[in-house]
Amino acid sequence: QSALTQPASVSGSPGQSITISCTGTSSDIGNYNLVSWYQQHPGKAPKLMIYEDSKRPSGVSNRFSGSKSGNTASLTISGLQAEDEADYYCCSYARTSTLVFGGGTKLTVL
Amino acid sequence: QLQLQESGPGLVKPSETLSLTCTVSGGSISSSGYYWGWIRQPPGKGLEWIGNIYYSGSAYYKPSLKSRVTISVDTSKNQFSLKVRSVTAADTAVYYCARHPTETVAVPAAIDYWGQGTLVTVSS
Repeated sequence: QSALTQPASVSGSPGQSITISCTGTSSDIGNYNLVSWYQQHPGKAPKLMIYEDSKRPSGVSNRFSGSKSGNTASLTISGLQAEDEADYYCCSYARTSTLVFGGGTKLTVL
Repeated sequence: QLQLQESGPGLVKPSETLSLTCTVSGGSISSSGYYWGWIRQPPGKGLEWIGNIYYSGSAYYKPSLKSRVTISVDTSKNQFSLKVRSVTAADTAVYYCARHPTETVAVPAAIDYWGQGTLVTVSS
């Protein structure tokens, strides 16, 4: 069970859109519609932003959207705001009822 | 509002057992439709899923940790616990307890509530 692959960092200017990719395998991302995304600000617990590939929990801005193609999931943030600067982690359900996280992506709002 | 709170020693000696408890308030740990789990984060690094448990006692673990980890549940106290045996410095991390909902899918695939986390340092 290897960690999912995310870019170490991405950046964008306020108002722009960015996309963070998350690549797995046919044993995790490619086999289930069960990718979730988490936002983590420094010193804080992670917050659920997307679940089941593309669903948003109540209270999460519609500027956040999720998608998936094959073994790669993506998180898109539109209309970037300063408060979006944080670390983002993808997570996928995998066989034998386990979860696997990505290594995390640091988003910088320029 | 559901709240989860980790508790336990902040310092553990190498080769000993790390023990943490998560107390759930604002909801019952025996409610159907939820698993309860542990995630850790070494300082400056990413998240690592450790395992989870249903109130009935069915537990699942990360394969590479399975030989050293036990998660248990105490429904009478509305708590669940984590034990990691034979710890080394590599087990130094912030440990989070969390809730995995299974309302829309039959498996614990996401995490909707997290504790604030507790730092456990392994050092002599």
